[in-house]
Amino acid sequence: GAGVSQTPSNKVTEKGKYVELRCDPISGHTALYWYRQSLGQGPEFLIYFQGTGAADDSGLPNDRFFAVRPEGSVSTLKIQRTERGDSAVYLCASSLRRGHGETQYFGPGTRLLVL
Amino acid sequence: SQQGEEDPQALSIQEGENATMNCSYKTSINNLQWYRQNSGRGLVHLILIRSNEREKHSGRLRVTLDTSKKSSSLLITASRAADTASYFCATDAVASGSRLTFGEGTQLTVNP
Repeated sequence: GAGVSQTPSNKVTEKGKYVELRCDPISGHTALYWYRQSLGQGPEFLIYFQGTGAADDSGLPNDRFFAVRPEGSVSTLKIQRTERGDSAVYLCASSLRRGHGETQYFGPGTRLLVL
Repeated sequence: SQQGEEDPQALSIQEGENATMNCSYKTSINNLQWYRQNSGRGLVHLILIRSNEREKHSGRLRVTLDTSKKSSSLLITASRAADTASYFCATDAVASGSRLTFGEGTQLTVNP
């Protein structure tokens, strides 16, 4: 079946602009995760959803970052007033359910460049 | 913040040789997972080892876990050029809910 998909694959924007990044999880997966990966680093957790609600948003770096999952499937990560330091690859993952030991399946990521 | 530390940061070997990568972490875990990432692509889940397990095998992969030392190793036997990628360990910590905490990765290059 289809894996996790993310759009756009690449996004170039100017400092101060607003961006939205989209994630389509694997059908039927109830848990959805966002991570951010800077060059040469491992992914860092941002937020995860169980169903429609954000179960843990403690990884969001500041209030410019926000994510939604209104129908419990597709999720959108929103970044306001982008800064050059926001440049990174934003990865989305989903798992069948929340819980320890559940495999997280990752999408290809959105590469964000803030000029 | 990164919990795990991996070494080496980079490893270059010849095809057919074995590759060993190590990971250390800091907190109590439920399980530890290894992922692979090809350049510019998403992460692929390789193997999961639970905190009560000491060793696990999957094909050419062998993972060990020593919770007393808070460390794990990934061994790839009979490496192939197609194994060239970055390898990350990720911990599912007891106190962290379902989030994964990744190390900084080992860049493996297998020369044909």
